Amino acid sequence: GQSLEQPSEVTAVEGAIVQINCTYQTSGFYGLSWYQQHDGGAPTFLSYNALDGLEETGRFSSFLSRSDSYGYLLLQELQMKDSASYFCAVRSHPNSGYSTLTFGKGTMLLVSP
Amino acid sequence: DAGITQSPRYKITETGRQVTLMCHQTWSHSYMFWYRQDLGHGLRLIYYSAAADITDKGEVPDGYVVSRSKTENFPLTLESATRSQTSVYFCASSESLGGNQPQHFGDGTRLSIL
Repeated sequence: GQSLEQPSEVTAVEGAIVQINCTYQTSGFYGLSWYQQHDGGAPTFLSYNALDGLEETGRFSSFLSRSDSYGYLLLQELQMKDSASYFCAVRSHPNSGYSTLTFGKGTMLLVSP
Repeated sequence: DAGITQSPRYKITETGRQVTLMCHQTWSHSYMFWYRQDLGHGLRLIYYSAAADITDKGEVPDGYVVSRSKTENFPLTLESATRSQTSVYFCASSESLGGNQPQHFGDGTRLSIL
């Protein structure tokens, strides 16, 4: 089966840097995605890593190590509006059919003043 | 307006009733998905569709039925609702499954089964 592990909650202060880790076990791995969800609303896409290394998009960066089955989301210059849940998701193709996303249980980020 | 919309936003029903959740997207995306979100479980895939008349099971399909007669619509039916199906249901669509194509989510349907 497939499984993803990420911390349930992370706290930080405004202006700080925070890293949310994700480890995964899956077969037929294609890539790792990150999604953000505010207050139970619609999840929104943040980033996707298919290859090892760091991808930067503004204040957010995402890292992948395929050999370690590990990735992280790095949020810099934290703002109050970054308080949300963050989900890692693996795109994999474990059996016949199409590749699909399997989501982790999410990490709630609380940013305080 | 372009986008993905779900209806109803909230629904309360009783066990044993049939209920259908609607999902409509205006992008003409090929792929559509249904997820349920429960505390402690994150988002779990129920069913997905690669095109009109092509559907496949996800991780938790039992008790659900889907259809896709038109590209833009992907309704989810609970044929005989049970309390364990109380959840928040999200529909999503994507242009393709490859590369960095994101899934675009609707605002969700909050379903309570009494």
